[in-house]
Amino acid sequence: NAGVMQNPRHLVRRRGQEARLRCSPMKGHSHVYWYRQLPEEGLKFMVYLQKENIIDESGMPKERFSAEFPKEGPSILRIQQVVRGDSAAYFCASSPLPGHTEAFFGQGTRLTVV
Amino acid sequence: KNEVEQSPQNLTAQEGEFITINCSYSVGISALHWLQQHPGGGIVSLFMLSSGKKKHGRLIATINIQEKHSSLHITASHPRDSAVYICAVREETSGSRLTFGEGTQLTVNP
Repeated sequence: NAGVMQNPRHLVRRRGQEARLRCSPMKGHSHVYWYRQLPEEGLKFMVYLQKENIIDESGMPKERFSAEFPKEGPSILRIQQVVRGDSAAYFCASSPLPGHTEAFFGQGTRLTVV
Repeated sequence: KNEVEQSPQNLTAQEGEFITINCSYSVGISALHWLQQHPGGGIVSLFMLSSGKKKHGRLIATINIQEKHSSLHITASHPRDSAVYICAVREETSGSRLTFGEGTQLTVNP
């Protein structure tokens, strides 16, 4: 049973481009959480999704950021028109039940905006 | 003030020493997690606690719900224990999301 898979591991984008980060949860997990770790800062919650639904997006920046978790395929975190301040590590976690009873994290995607 | 505070921020130890990392929180929680993050690496869950004490190998985690405090102990520390240790809580009122401490950078020298 593979763990939470994130890709790419490293992503370099120029200012103004779009970044797409993918997260495949563990098998049987239908709840996905995205977190962001800015340089020299702690992890911060961004969004919680269930299949085809956004449950809690209270941590998402109001503009340029969106997330989805379709019926088929991975969850996608999309950042439009990236800026230098978006450079960070983005982690995905999944759980089989609501309430994040266990914390299964992916390896993260390290986004660098140049 | 952060809802989750860890101390110390940085800790350097000699191989074999007993290590304690502390976590205090100011909100009602349903669970507390201890996580480990290696440089450039992913995040590994070490423990999830809602009461009492758990042990796994050389690692021990305790929580005191009344005092809103948890500790992570490492016995007979080893250089491979060098990592960032992160305390995270699941707040009673937030449903599913985790709130994290800033992390403790542990360096164990041979």
